[in-house]
Amino acid sequence: GDSVTQMEGPVTLSEEAFLTINCTYTATGYPSLFWYVQYPGEGLQLLLKATKADDKGSNKGFEATYRKETTSFHLEKGSVQVSDSAVYFCALSVDFGNEKLTFGTGTRLTIIP
Amino acid sequence: DVKVTQSSRYLVKRTGEKVFLECVQDMDHENMFWYRQDPGLGLRLIYFSYDVKMKEKGDIPEGYSVSREKKERFSLILESASTNQTSMYLCASRGGDLGGVNYGYTFGSGTRLTVV
Repeated sequence: GDSVTQMEGPVTLSEEAFLTINCTYTATGYPSLFWYVQYPGEGLQLLLKATKADDKGSNKGFEATYRKETTSFHLEKGSVQVSDSAVYFCALSVDFGNEKLTFGTGTRLTIIP
Repeated sequence: DVKVTQSSRYLVKRTGEKVFLECVQDMDHENMFWYRQDPGLGLRLIYFSYDVKMKEKGDIPEGYSVSREKKERFSLILESASTNQTSMYLCASRGGDLGGVNYGYTFGSGTRLTVV
């Protein structure tokens, strides 16, 4: 079945550090890939997405590139801020008929001033 | 923007009670979902619905049922609450694909349920 494996947390970084959160996937079809973010006390928000190989999703300074050859979708940001502290979830959905999202276990990120 | 509203932010219920969690979306989306979120396990799909009166089991449907009588409302029902159902419950909705592009889900803020 479909699955997502993401980097275990928690991750603690200093402000302005470079961030990478690893995500790899297994899927039987041609998935769309997503990163969701959950700020404290809130539901999940879509951060970025990519729907085909070599697509790059970007939003709020975060980027992730859909790498079919390595089945990966790593999240990166060049300079993190305290306001980026949250839980980040990698997810996939196999298009055209399968509406379900399959999530990774989440990575808690804490940014220290 | 799509808004998904969950009726309660926090609930405390007793073991054996019947519990209703309500979710309403305001963008005429066909697809609605219930997930539970637990530390170290991420989000797991309980049930989903792709149309009124239609429902499909997700990965962990045991102990739950759902109801979708109107397009905008999707209810999760715990027939007889147990302590292992203490969790964060998240509702989500998703519209149809536009030109074949998957635009992802919109989530509610969650209901934290404690069963004592």
